Amino acid sequence: DAKTTQPNSMESNEEEPVHLPCNHSTISGTDYIHWYRQLPSQGPEYVIHGLTSNVNNRMASLAIAEDRKSSTLILHRATLRDAAVYYCIRSRNSGNTPLVFGKGTRLSVIA
Amino acid sequence: DSGVTQTPKHLITATGQRVTLRCSPRSGDLSVYWYQQSLDQGLQFLIQYYNGEERAKGNILERFSAQQFPDLHSELNLSSLELGDSALYFCASSTLPDPLEQYFGPGTRLTVT
Repeated sequence: DAKTTQPNSMESNEEEPVHLPCNHSTISGTDYIHWYRQLPSQGPEYVIHGLTSNVNNRMASLAIAEDRKSSTLILHRATLRDAAVYYCIRSRNSGNTPLVFGKGTRLSVIA
Repeated sequence: DSGVTQTPKHLITATGQRVTLRCSPRSGDLSVYWYQQSLDQGLQFLIQYYNGEERAKGNILERFSAQQFPDLHSELNLSSLELGDSALYFCASSTLPDPLEQYFGPGTRLTVT
């Protein structure tokens, strides 16, 4: 049970921003939000993670709702290389809680 | 390149056989995770090791076993193979035991005929 809900697929035009939503309405106070992506024929790739505050890194931004029941991964300028399956995962901050991957959102980028 | 290496890249074997998949984590990472990805089940966590000790267990079959060696590389042993074991097997590593940032290898594609 991945305990997050994502759209099955999304489409974006190249060089435009992409907002990938994730619902995690049953999240608890110590749960982290993680995003990974998997490009075709490759292993999953870490994108970003956060707890309460919005986070930025060189790959993307993570916007977490104030009530933490949802979050949005933002790719500021989509490129063809960003076409992948994006997984939103919640996990407890404990050493014995592995990541549970759901089905993710398949992002297509149109040139 | 994540820094995690897995060998072999491809493996074809027959039902009933035994195989060993190998993973070398990123330099300095103490934690190793194994995942199975099949078309119908998606990406499933199998087992985690931290500094040589088993730390968490997922949906790993009794026919499967793993270990992490003193040099921190890990091996996943799959025995009495069945057609349904055909899948991609990924190894991931992280610095800490908490999986906040995991780095995945390129995977081993196992085909059981």
